[in-house]
Amino acid sequence: AQKVTQAQTEISVVEKEDVTLDCVYETRDTTYYLFWYKQPPSGELVFLIRRNSFDEQNEISGRYSWNFQKSTSSFNFTITASQVVDSAVYFCARLLVELTFGQGTILTVHP
Amino acid sequence: EAGVTQSPTHLIKTRGQQATLRCSPISGHTSVYWYQQALGLGLQFLLWYDEGEERNRGNFPPRFSGRQFPNYSSELNVNALELEDSALYLCASSFWDGYGYTFGSGTRLTVV
Repeated sequence: AQKVTQAQTEISVVEKEDVTLDCVYETRDTTYYLFWYKQPPSGELVFLIRRNSFDEQNEISGRYSWNFQKSTSSFNFTITASQVVDSAVYFCARLLVELTFGQGTILTVHP
Repeated sequence: EAGVTQSPTHLIKTRGQQATLRCSPISGHTSVYWYQQALGLGLQFLLWYDEGEERNRGNFPPRFSGRQFPNYSSELNVNALELEDSALYLCASSFWDGYGYTFGSGTRLTVV
């Protein structure tokens, strides 16, 4: 199976710190999509970003930014100036036929 | 625009019973996906339906089954419930090519 790996199980930071969540994926395909989702304690999966494998441009959305490097099969997610409301489980996923998720990273932001 | 809706929100069943979970996709989406998230575990792919047909299936026993109706809504059925079936079941929908992949809020199934 082509896996998605999030090596960081848990990260704990203090508010206003920057934090990067790592994601490495396996694929034999040239066309695929990568996603990041946020899962707050309420349980729903909140869509953050979708990236086409042909688009290696980094993206910034407010305090969130994503670094996609095809050469290393990585799609890392950085939160700048973290806030308590960022506390959640974050999932990286790859779409071929269906979504394959990483194990998730639990982010806790302390006041 | 309404999102993906799932019902019920919570479901409590006894071991050995059957559970039926429902999902209504976003208007225009033809694909529906089911995922299981057991406590402490990640999201595991269960089933994919598109245009009324089962297109792919994850590594789950046959007692997990479902169907998709002509209006693209879907049901997930779990027969002969076991304690380890207790989990959050998430439904997602998308266009046929995977675009617009959106999740519902989930059904929390508890088997006692």
